[in-house]
Amino acid sequence: AQRVTQPEKLLSVFKGAPVELKCNYSYSGSPELFWYVQYSRQRLQLLLRHISRESIKGFTADLNKGETSFHLKKPFAQEEDSAMYYCALSAGRETSGSRLTFGEGTQLTVNP
Amino acid sequence: GAVVSQHPSRVICKSGTSVKIECRSLDFQATTMFWYRQFPKKSLMLMATSNEGSKATYEQGVEKDKFLINHASLTLSTLTVTSAHPEDSSFYICSARGGLAGGDTQYFGPGTRLTVL
Repeated sequence: AQRVTQPEKLLSVFKGAPVELKCNYSYSGSPELFWYVQYSRQRLQLLLRHISRESIKGFTADLNKGETSFHLKKPFAQEEDSAMYYCALSAGRETSGSRLTFGEGTQLTVNP
Repeated sequence: GAVVSQHPSRVICKSGTSVKIECRSLDFQATTMFWYRQFPKKSLMLMATSNEGSKATYEQGVEKDKFLINHASLTLSTLTVTSAHPEDSSFYICSARGGLAGGDTQYFGPGTRLTVL
């Protein structure tokens, strides 16, 4: 079974400060990891996926298989980054039919 | 690209009635759609996986006779909450797998707020 843990329900930083949202997972195979973001009153939207190795809106996330982590980072937080962030894991189409397992989410607040 | 819509956005119904929620992928074909339920300030709970042309796969604890899912085409899946009761009040979200990103990426609808009186 797969599991995703986001240890921080709330995270508050000041504008311009670095931010790191933690995500740990447990899965014995090769997972696909995602970060989704939900801005106030908006739908859940994909922020980034580990296989793309991309940077979106200044955010990056590196899959660390040794530590089973996929932390989301941004060097300089902006007020518009305030949102709910969900880490999610897929065990793959063959294994789980592409079902996503979500973490509990971290509410990020960036203060002016 | 990869836009998913849901209709209605909110619905209020009386206890005992049935409510149908539609999920559409607008600009891509989705062989698989997923239905979630989200409680206030909580994460998404997967209810079922819907594959076009076949029966939905329900998660443990989800009553398939209560939450009827139909995936008749590559762009449409429906969730019918039968004989709704106040405890069914929730935010229901669908997602569709596909689009240009491919892989296991899911694109989410805006959600439907169901209130059962």
